[in-house]
Amino acid sequence: DAGVTQSPTHLIKTRGQQVTLRCSPISGHKSVSWYQQVLGQGPQFIFQYYEKEERGRGNFPDRFSARQFPNYSSELNVNALLLGDSALYLCASSLGYRVPNSPLHFGNGTRLTVT
Amino acid sequence: AQKVTQAQTEISVVEKEDVTLDCVYETRDTTYYLFWYKQPPSGELVFLIRRNSFDEQNEISGRYSWNFQKSTSSFNFTITASQVVDSAVYFCALKYLGKSTFGDGTTLTVKP
Repeated sequence: DAGVTQSPTHLIKTRGQQVTLRCSPISGHKSVSWYQQVLGQGPQFIFQYYEKEERGRGNFPDRFSARQFPNYSSELNVNALLLGDSALYLCASSLGYRVPNSPLHFGNGTRLTVT
Repeated sequence: AQKVTQAQTEISVVEKEDVTLDCVYETRDTTYYLFWYKQPPSGELVFLIRRNSFDEQNEISGRYSWNFQKSTSSFNFTITASQVVDSAVYFCALKYLGKSTFGDGTTLTVKP
């Protein structure tokens, strides 16, 4: 079975631009979460979506938004990029909070560099 | 708010040694879930083990074992007879209502 897939793998943007990152979950997983990982730190929670509804949001500015589609894939959008947005963006799928102890299954991430 | 602390930033051992990774967490919730993940140099985070807050029985799975002590809010992870392939960054995470809070990781280097 295919794992979590993310695209693109790498991205270079300029300050002020907008970026869209994409994620396809494992088949059968209805929950998708987005995390930001800065070098040397653990992943920081950005969003969780379950059944196309936002179920949780971390401490990130409104420049960050996301959505989940009927096929459970998801997009993360970041507007007005800042240098500090440079990070590895991880998408994770899981069975959702109806199975609260379900682990996260991560994709390989999108490496975003803002210049 | 939840917080996860991994005090060990880096650990270096020689192959076949046992190694324990420490994790201390903070939460006011009574029901939560604890996980360990591994991030090898390739970058993809991989789930290793989990424990429910209401189950303090410690377990062993192959070369992995874990010690969950609710009284001290600790969830330590031990690799027995370490191997070079165990070299990676290990993250402890606490999950509550779908949100996972991660520690900053412990970099484990296993030398041949």
